[in-house]
Parts: sequence; C-alpha cells; structure tokens
Amino acid sequence: EVQLVESGGGLVEPGGSLRLSCAVSGFTFNDAWMTWVRQAPGKGLEWVGRIKKKNEGLTREYIEAVKGRFFISRDDSRRELYLQMSSLKIEDTATYYCVTEGWGWIGWGQGTLVIVSP
Amino acid sequence: QAVVTQEPSVTVSPGGTVTLTCGSSTGPVTSGHYPYWFQQRPGQAPRTLIYDAGFKHPWTPARFSGSLFGGIFALTVSGAQPDDEADYYCMLSYSGTRVFGGGTKLTV
Repeated sequence: EVQLVESGGGLVEPGGSLRLSCAVSGFTFNDAWMTWVRQAPGKGLEWVGRIKKKNEGLTREYIEAVKGRFFISRDDSRRELYLQMSSLKIEDTATYYCVTEGWGWIGWGQGTLVIVSP
Repeated sequence: QAVVTQEPSVTVSPGGTVTLTCGSSTGPVTSGHYPYWFQQRPGQAPRTLIYDAGFKHPWTPARFSGSLFGGIFALTVSGAQPDDEADYYCMLSYSGTRVFGGGTKLTV
C-alpha cells in the first residue's frame, strides 16, 4: 500500500522558516519524481514544485511565487522528501501535500497545515 | 503562466450523466499535456482518478472516464452517485511544470 505522511507544519511568523517532511512507503521511492502541492484554506490546488530522481540529477522546478524561498530535497536512504521554506509570507498559508508523480500520481499524503501569521 | 479553465460548479441528478471540461489558455489540450483529473471530497486529501488523459487507477469507479475532444479535456460521470459529490481538479503539464485548474464543484 502506498503511503505518504507529511509532518512539520505549524504556525510561523511572516519572514520565518519551516521545514516540512514526508515519509513514504509502498513504492520504489528512488524511482519516483516527488512533488509538493498546496491548498490555501477554501481555495484550489496549486502545484508548488518537484524534484526528479538522483539519476536525473535531482532536477528541481518551482512555481515563480516560491522561487528563491523554497527548496525541495530528498533522502532516498530514509525514503523521505523535504520542503524547506524560508522568508514565509502570509499568502503561503496552506495545507501542503506530498505527492508522488510516479505511476500516474499514485499517492497523496494527508497534508500538513502551515499558517503564516503575525 | 498558462491558465487552466474549469466550470466553477456543475449539478447532476442521481443516476444522470455529466461532463466536466478542462481547457488551456495556450490552445488546444493534447495528450502532450499529460492531462489528469483529481477528486477531492470535503475534508479529505485529493486522489487521482484519471491520468494521461484516459487511464484509470484500480480505485477509479468505472463510471468515470477521461477523454480529449475538440481541444478540451473532459471527465464524464455516467450514472452519478451521491458519493461523487466533490471538487474535481484537472491538471495539465507545460514543459515540465504543472498547472491545476480552479476546480469544479460537482453537486449530485
């Protein structure tokens, strides 16, 4: 069974930093492109960024709104995905979902809520 | 950035058939956009229903189908059930990045 479990969300002040983690099981993690998707309260889904596999150079892509502030990384030995967020803005408030793009976006986590507020 | 368009809301009677559509601001939607449909029930995480335009996952009910026609990506629900009441999001790929549509709230 494919499982993805996010953690690390919480309340942070504008300008602050937070690191999200995603622990995965049930699929070959090091063969998968991994993605973060977010959803602001009451709003739609927004693709945040993705990291490719190690043998593809760990290529990363991000939406413009987070470039230079967010950084995606992975630890294949731990089967974990990370999202380092810095210079956080109020508009970054959202539930952040970890997703595997492999095999037809086969797995979504339950999400972790990040609230950016003074 | 490209904009992906969806109907904000659609209503269908139980047992009826309904089609949700997904368009792209850059032109016709094609298989090269690797189109996806996702379902999100209230209070739940999204789940993937349709990938690469028409492929289904084992958990995708048979009454859901994805198709490309006339430059539009569509999700058809044949014989809608109350359990299908949810938000539906399409997603298209543009040179490696992904863009979600604004979502369609389906009321059954």
